[in-house]
Formats: sequence, structure tokens, C-alpha cells
Amino acid sequence: QQQVKQSPQSLIVQKGGISIINCAYENTAFDYFPWYQQFPGKGPALLIAIRPDVSEKKEGRFTISFNKSAKQFSLHIMDSQPGDSATYFCAASIYGGSARQLTFGSGTQLTVLP
Amino acid sequence: EAGVAQSPRYKIIEKRQSVAFWCNPISGHATLYWYQQILGQGPKLLIQFQNNGVVDDSQLPKDRFSAERLKGVDSTLKIQPAKLEDSAVYLCASSGQGQGGYTFGSGTRLTVV
Repeated sequence: QQQVKQSPQSLIVQKGGISIINCAYENTAFDYFPWYQQFPGKGPALLIAIRPDVSEKKEGRFTISFNKSAKQFSLHIMDSQPGDSATYFCAASIYGGSARQLTFGSGTQLTVLP
Repeated sequence: EAGVAQSPRYKIIEKRQSVAFWCNPISGHATLYWYQQILGQGPKLLIQFQNNGVVDDSQLPKDRFSAERLKGVDSTLKIQPAKLEDSAVYLCASSGQGQGGYTFGSGTRLTVV
């Protein structure tokens, strides 16, 4: 199974609040889990990524929590700002012998109210 | 470092017409990907190149879609004939050796009417 399931589909948060987006996967061969941020009219941009040998990775206000046994991972955005309003995609990756191949979730449209 | 360049940015065509998209990856990136992103959905891989060879085209609708990467650099994606359901953003991405993530271009928004 290559599917990556993402929720919620949309999220509205007040400025300064915490935004949480969840993803689940089936294929235990996935070994790299990035999150991408996409603004309208732009391609997705790598935000933060984690490998399954760690349970948490933090970069500034962004944290990935990873639960290998549950096959779930989540993105936490602390102190959410209006500039964080964008669509967020989780993804999972396998190294296919010559290069990685990403499978994306369906996306979460985040709106941070001022 | 220059990013992934794509053109055109927008294209509107009638169904049954043909269309081509162009991508110039980051210099030195051996792997190039074409993704289709339908409105409200995540990107879906169409084809993956390693240098000028195809690694995976299992999700490419080969009856109407074709892609090539001559000389292992630029790539073109063609649709002929286009259908209404091909309306989407077509994203090109590239990655270098050992990199986990991709760098995406801004995409080409195709509208088939």
C-alpha cells in the first residue's frame, strides 16, 4: 500500500494558537517523512522532514512527532501566524534504488486568523 | 542556486487539442519528476527520470501522455489529445544524489475546456 492519509482537510486557527495536522501510512518500507508547504500559485516547498529512527524533530516553530508502531506522524505549528496560512502536505518516501519517490497526502488548508 | 524552471505558467486549451510543458531542473540534479496536482488534492507522480532514463511511469496514462528527457537535463511532458479531466497543475521537481526531499517548480496550470 502506497497510500498516505492526511487529516483534517481544512483547519482554522487563531493567531498564536497551535496547528496540528495528522498523517497515517500503511507501507512499513517508507523511510523518510517530509512535510511540504504550498502557497497559492507556487510549488510545494520542503518544510521539515523526519526519519523513522527518531520520535520527534523540531525546527523553530515546526515540530514533527513520529509514532512508528502506530504508523502515524503529525506536524505541530506552534504560535501560528497569519503568514503560515497555506496548504500543508505530508509525504512518505522510499528509496527506489536510484532515487527517492514521494507519495503525498491529500493536503490540509490552514488558515490562521489575525 | 537557481530553482526548477517551468513554462508556460498557464495554458488553456480545448479538449482533444495537444499541449506541451517544459521543465529545466536544478543544475546537476540527476532525478526529475513530473507530478499532476488536481485542485484540492495532493500531487500524484506521473513519471520519474534518472538522467535520461525512465525509472517509473506506472501512473502515466500512456495512451495520451508522453514525456522525454533528452540529454538528461530538460524535460517535456505532452498531452495529446487532452481531456477535461486533465485540468490540473503539472509540477516538475528534481532531486540530487542522496537528497531526501525534492525541489519543485511553480508548475503549469492547465485548463481544458
